Amino acid sequence: AQRVTQPEKLLSVFKGAPVELKCNYSYSGSPELFWYVQYSRQRLQLLLRHISRESIKGFTADLNKGETSFHLKKPFAQEEDSAMYYCALSGEYGNKLVFGAGTILRVKS
Amino acid sequence: DGGITQSPKYLFRKEGQNVTLSCEQNLNHDAMYWYRQDPGQGLRLIYYSQIVNDFQKGDIAEGYSVSREKKESFPLTVTSAQKNPTAFYLCASSKGGPSRGYTFGSGTRLTVV
Repeated sequence: AQRVTQPEKLLSVFKGAPVELKCNYSYSGSPELFWYVQYSRQRLQLLLRHISRESIKGFTADLNKGETSFHLKKPFAQEEDSAMYYCALSGEYGNKLVFGAGTILRVKS
Repeated sequence: DGGITQSPKYLFRKEGQNVTLSCEQNLNHDAMYWYRQDPGQGLRLIYYSQIVNDFQKGDIAEGYSVSREKKESFPLTVTSAQKNPTAFYLCASSKGGPSRGYTFGSGTRLTVV
């Protein structure tokens, strides 16, 4: 079975502080991992994919197969980063996404 | 302007009624998905369809039904058998699968009155 766990419902940080949103997954095969973001009054949208190994809006995420984790990191938080973040997993057959419960990131000035 | 449109934005249903939520896309995407979003539970998959005239149950399909008669359209019916239908429903589409990312609609909030 595929499962995604985001242990924090809410993460509150000050502007300029580092951010780490945790994501752990359970899957026996080779997963594809994603981070999606939903800003206030906007649609849910793709932030980044592990296969792309890219940095989007200063965010990065590394797949750690040993720890089955895909934590989202940013060295210096900005107020505009405040949003709901979802970690998601696609299995080997790649026909659907399983989402975590989401973490609200609140960046305080 | 390509995109995915869900309607209506708000929907009220009486106990015992069936209601249908609309989802239309003009992105030429093959796959379409319905998720239910509840506070603290994230998004849970109801149904998905990878091609026209074919669809599969997700994790919480009981009390829901879908059809995929056209590539552009994937309506979701919430039946009276769904015990707790009050929720936010999200439709998404993708070109071939999740790897290229989902495009999401703006959602429909269904309330049972």
